[in-house]
Amino acid sequence: SAVISQKPSRDICQRGTSLTIQCQVDSQVTMMFWYRQQPGQSLTLIATANQGSEATYESGFVIDKFPISRPNLTFSTLTVSNMSPEDSSIYLCSVAQGRASTDTQYFGPGTRLTVL
Amino acid sequence: QKEVEQDPGPLSVPEGAIVSLNCTYSNSAFQYFMWYRQYSRKGPELLMYTYSSGNKEDGRFTAQVDKSSKYISLFIRDSQPSDSATYLCAMSTGNQFYFGTGTSLTVIP
Repeated sequence: SAVISQKPSRDICQRGTSLTIQCQVDSQVTMMFWYRQQPGQSLTLIATANQGSEATYESGFVIDKFPISRPNLTFSTLTVSNMSPEDSSIYLCSVAQGRASTDTQYFGPGTRLTVL
Repeated sequence: QKEVEQDPGPLSVPEGAIVSLNCTYSNSAFQYFMWYRQYSRKGPELLMYTYSSGNKEDGRFTAQVDKSSKYISLFIRDSQPSDSATYLCAMSTGNQFYFGTGTSLTVIP
């Protein structure tokens, strides 16, 4: 299984600022995903990031607020822009791997974001 | 109707009990079925993975998939306090992933 790291592991930010979260994978993967998990809630998919193409955003999430980069097959970033307290959450990246290369997901440890 | 339904619990059991966690789904295109364990303040960890119908056993954990009933289960035998976590079911068509809301489990020593 893929080993995934995220930076930073946690941060406390001021309203109106932006934070970029990095996700590094120890092997090449085609599909990477960014999720948000608010306290006591399940996972909400923000976007799918495939290398070489624009990220695909889920309903309720827009590129201006959550720009994503995917410069190669092992790395991606998610930026949370113009933050407000409602953005306080855990942000998780994941990669798809498996027999069909898209049949299961492995998660990073998450970035715990608090916006004051 | 949600694609995946999971009872959020919380579920509290004594140490040594058998735990049964369940999810139902509506999309017959799901082929891959997973269970994740998530400890507090950690990312989800893949626990069990099953392709199509049937059972899979790994130590104290058994995953069951019944595609005819659109029902999956995770059984934990001889539960331990270290099993206390949130368990999320997940399903995939191969292109789209869906997660349950998670069941919070506490195993009391």
